[in-house]
Amino acid sequence: AQSVTQPDIHITVSEGASLELRCNYSYGATPYLFWYVQSPGQGLQLLLKYFSGDTLVQGIKGFEAEFKRSQSSFNLRKPSVHWSDAAEYFCAVGATGGYNKLIFGAGTRLAVHP
Amino acid sequence: NAGVTQTPKFRILKIGQSMTLQCTQDMNHNYMYWYRQDPGMGLKLIYYSVGAGITDKGEVPNGYNVSRSTTEDFPLRLELAAPSQTSVYFCASTATGTSYEQYFGPGTRLTVT
Repeated sequence: AQSVTQPDIHITVSEGASLELRCNYSYGATPYLFWYVQSPGQGLQLLLKYFSGDTLVQGIKGFEAEFKRSQSSFNLRKPSVHWSDAAEYFCAVGATGGYNKLIFGAGTRLAVHP
Repeated sequence: NAGVTQTPKFRILKIGQSMTLQCTQDMNHNYMYWYRQDPGMGLKLIYYSVGAGITDKGEVPNGYNVSRSTTEDFPLRLELAAPSQTSVYFCASTATGTSYEQYFGPGTRLTVT
């Protein structure tokens, strides 16, 4: 069965430091992969997506993610974190069976220290 | 263009009461979804719809019902509320095709006591 694992439940970084959030998936074929961000009290907003092609994808708010097939990973990165990046981040994979369904990881909550 | 809207934002129910969570999208999307979000569990799919009159169960459908009479609206019904249904509920929609990119509403925080 497909699944998405986000190994880190909570991460704390200092403002200006670099960030990497981990995501591993299980899926036989080339997956559709997504990162969403949820600010406190808000819905989910798409940060970036990978369908095919270049394995390094750029998203909004200065985020990027790299697809590594050999490691079944799709880690999210940002070179310099801002206080406004404090939020919960969800990795997701397109589910088999059609209808554009997504399978989400449990999320990583990011705290940013000044 | 409002995107996906949900009402109410907050609700407290007593055990055994019923209610309907409303969801409306103005993007003419055929596919719509209901999720629940529990701490440390991510989002779990409750029900989804691929068009007016067509709905199907997701991963956690027990205790819920849905209907889809129009393209725009996809209400979620709780018939006999239970404490286990305390959660944050999100509605989402996406266009037909292979994009998989879902657009989310702001959520409804429901507490059942």
